Amino acid sequence: GENVEQHPSTLSVQEGDSAVIKCTYSDSASNYFPWYKQELGKRPQLIIDIRSNVGEKKDQRIAVTLNKTAKHFSLHITETQPEDSAVYFCAAPDGLTFGKGTHLIIQP
Amino acid sequence: GAVVSQHPSRVICKSGTSVKIECRSLDFQATTMFWYRQFPKQSLMLMATSNEGSKATYEQGVEKDKFLINHASLTLSTLTVTSAHPEDSSFYICSARDEFSGANVLTFGAGSRLTVL
Repeated sequence: GENVEQHPSTLSVQEGDSAVIKCTYSDSASNYFPWYKQELGKRPQLIIDIRSNVGEKKDQRIAVTLNKTAKHFSLHITETQPEDSAVYFCAAPDGLTFGKGTHLIIQP
Repeated sequence: GAVVSQHPSRVICKSGTSVKIECRSLDFQATTMFWYRQFPKQSLMLMATSNEGSKATYEQGVEKDKFLINHASLTLSTLTVTSAHPEDSSFYICSARDEFSGANVLTFGAGSRLTVL
């Protein structure tokens, strides 16, 4: 199956600062790159995704960038707020393999 | 958008009993649904792919006789944990795609927290 490596496992940032989480993949044929947010005890929810025909996609404070040459895609959260505290997962294009997750902590 | 309903959200059972978890796609049809297991502070681990009208495909290391999957209709898949033991205690989540929309987006159920005493 496809492999995805996600870093860092924990990220603590001051409220208002930016957070970046990176995921690398192995299959060069991959063409879909999703990011999920999971709050404690709740279901994962898709927050943003990108397809391989674009390099960046933005939705308000959240953006995803894709570097196909280096085979990695990153989640960017700007102007972080307390409600951004959660675990974030990247996933392989088939949606079946997930990164190990990043626990994002927003410090007040 | 697509909605997946999962029940029960919490279940406590005695060791040796069986527990059934249901996963329903409410406003779309899904020939394939996915079952995951998630331990505390860990990622989602795919257990099996549920196929409507045929046998489920299990991931390596997952006991098919332990985790029975039935996908009898285009909107319902069930996971039965048979002869449950304390080590089966976990958070089980299902997901599905609205295949007819052509989108890759996975929609997850709310999860079922199983506690085996």
